[in-house]
Amino acid sequence: EIVLTQSPGTLSLSPGERATLSCRAIQSVNDNYLAWYQQKPGQAPRLLIYGASSRATGIPDRFSGSGSGTDFTLTISRLEAEDFAVYYCQQYGSAPNTFGQGTKVEIK
Amino acid sequence: QVHLVESGGGVVQPGRSLRLSCAASGFIFSSYAMHWVRQAPGKGLEWVAVIWSDGITKYYADSVQGRFTISRDNSKNTLYLQMNSLRAEDTAVYYCARAYLQPLPYHWGQGTLVTVSS
Repeated sequence: EIVLTQSPGTLSLSPGERATLSCRAIQSVNDNYLAWYQQKPGQAPRLLIYGASSRATGIPDRFSGSGSGTDFTLTISRLEAEDFAVYYCQQYGSAPNTFGQGTKVEIK
Repeated sequence: QVHLVESGGGVVQPGRSLRLSCAASGFIFSSYAMHWVRQAPGKGLEWVAVIWSDGITKYYADSVQGRFTISRDNSKNTLYLQMNSLRAEDTAVYYCARAYLQPLPYHWGQGTLVTVSS
């Protein structure tokens, strides 16, 4: 299976700052089938990005995804209060699908 | 409006079985692949299984292969997860999710909690 490693584990930032989250795979992700999800406490995950760089319906353009092969990045250009949450990457190009361990974005 | 409602969770003893259901509405259920994803208390997300729209193609996580079975009844717009030989480490909130545009969990339900304990 494809193991995904997210870094950093925790990101402490202030509202208005830029957040850069990394997701690295041990082998190439087929078709760049890499997604990013946001999860807040007590809620189901929400899809942000699919296909490495396509925004899901209704996702603000301050969220962007980039990368290919084994290295992927989620960027939040200017953090807003509602963006402080845990973020997960997932690869769905190979079975079994796998998730990264998550990055927590917390208020500094 | 995509609507997914999981049910069937509860407390079950180790070694026993449980069947989860996911009732779907607001879309043509038979046209979409469906996933199960779980989350142990305080932990990250773990993908469990997927079933394609044909109901034949299925994939599982290594941790549940041979113990869990994903299925669907397109006439009832319902997804199932049959869980056998349950272990303490299967304790989690189980989410069902619909694929869209690409074969990934796009729309999610709110989840149902399964607790495996004696």
